[in-house]
Amino acid sequence: KNEVEQSPQNLTAQEGEFITINCSYSVGISALHWLQQHPGGGIVSLFMLSSGKKKHGRLIATINIQEKHSSLHITASHPRDSAVYICAVIRIIQGAQKLVFGQGTRLTINP
Amino acid sequence: DAGVIQSPRHEVTEMGQEVTLRCKPISGHDYLFWYRQTMMRGLELLIYFNNNVPIDDSGMPEDRFSAKMPNASFSTLKIQPSEPRDSAVYFCASSPAFVTEAFFGQGTRLTVV
Repeated sequence: KNEVEQSPQNLTAQEGEFITINCSYSVGISALHWLQQHPGGGIVSLFMLSSGKKKHGRLIATINIQEKHSSLHITASHPRDSAVYICAVIRIIQGAQKLVFGQGTRLTINP
Repeated sequence: DAGVIQSPRHEVTEMGQEVTLRCKPISGHDYLFWYRQTMMRGLELLIYFNNNVPIDDSGMPEDRFSAKMPNASFSTLKIQPSEPRDSAVYFCASSPAFVTEAFFGQGTRLTVV
């Protein structure tokens, strides 16, 4: 079992729908990172979370440290939100910070 | 600032050749990261630097891979000798701190034939 699991792996929705992408992890972490990778391959860092909630425009990220779970929400989704969304957790192992990535969620928003 | 700049954008090389990937981080960022992305393994952190010093290289796949950061504005990732299984997209990213949002370069698509 991977240390970081994302669900769903693929998600197709209609423009305007509310989107939720989930990330669960099985280890203690110091923070969690959400990334967006566009169809052209470029990667954008969306959020870095260690507790609570963050919001940027139509994107909202939440994390529940006790439940080892984070969600990324997109309100009023738009075709330009189509991308792969990647969750990564930051762990401290033997004094060094380590990044462990989920496998990504491919989101397609149809007009 | 122009963002994180990687070169080349595409590289095709023959097995056994040396490959050097280059990265210019955003000025003022203390952290620089090298990632590799493949279909099979997804995104992986290879190595990261703090203030030009390599902090953790446990993600470097084997001794054929090496990375340097001679100054705050330049880093290289070298593969010698290259093998077909090294074919991947290599990303460089920089950030002001480890636990903050990072800024990614456009990536270098490496194909080893």
